[in-house]
Amino acid sequence: ETGVTQTPRHLVMGMTNKKSLKCEQHLGHNAMYWYKQSAKKPLELMFVYNFKEQTENNSVPSRFSPECPNSSHLFLHLHTLQPEDSALYLCASSQDNTNEKLFFGSGTQLSVL
Amino acid sequence: GESVGLHLPTLSVQEGDNSIINCAYSNSASDYFIWYKQESGKGPQFIIDIRSNMDKRQGQRVTVLLNKTVKHLSLQIAATQPGDSAVYFCAENHTGRRALTFGSGTRLQVQP
Repeated sequence: ETGVTQTPRHLVMGMTNKKSLKCEQHLGHNAMYWYKQSAKKPLELMFVYNFKEQTENNSVPSRFSPECPNSSHLFLHLHTLQPEDSALYLCASSQDNTNEKLFFGSGTQLSVL
Repeated sequence: GESVGLHLPTLSVQEGDNSIINCAYSNSASDYFIWYKQESGKGPQFIIDIRSNMDKRQGQRVTVLLNKTVKHLSLQIAATQPGDSAVYFCAENHTGRRALTFGSGTRLQVQP
């Protein structure tokens, strides 16, 4: 147990659906991250939040919309996704936004049909 | 451009042997390095990290070696066990950048 919980673990959605991924960390960290992990590709940073403020958007398409209501919770709202968006979406947290020693959740395996 | 790459996609070792997983990086400004282990169905799990002012750091059964001259990082696992079977990622960062850059990963297979 890493202290970072993601739900759901698996999600199948159509291209016209709207869904949300949820992440909660119980580590008292101040920074939270969304990463995308595709098959045979390195982890790709999507968003960074520090003290609820977005500090990084790594050129992510607008069909992905993050939300960070407080330092412990992070959401990723999905709308009108494409099949190529199918991947493992990982949430992580760290003590601060220095990008060191990230603690990851188990991820949401997303399939877009 | 910046890249963090791994020398071998798959490494197979016998149980009880030592494992060495290698990683190369290209950015001379990189000053922080970290290794993660990812088991099937799980997220990456922190193993060990090292800063550029060190050449070696040891943990429980693991050692990370950093050679800044040739921009090379390695993870050594002593007495490899079946539970060590996983994909191992290296990642690097430098001061002021807001993201770790991850390598592609090496799959470690431990043969009984």
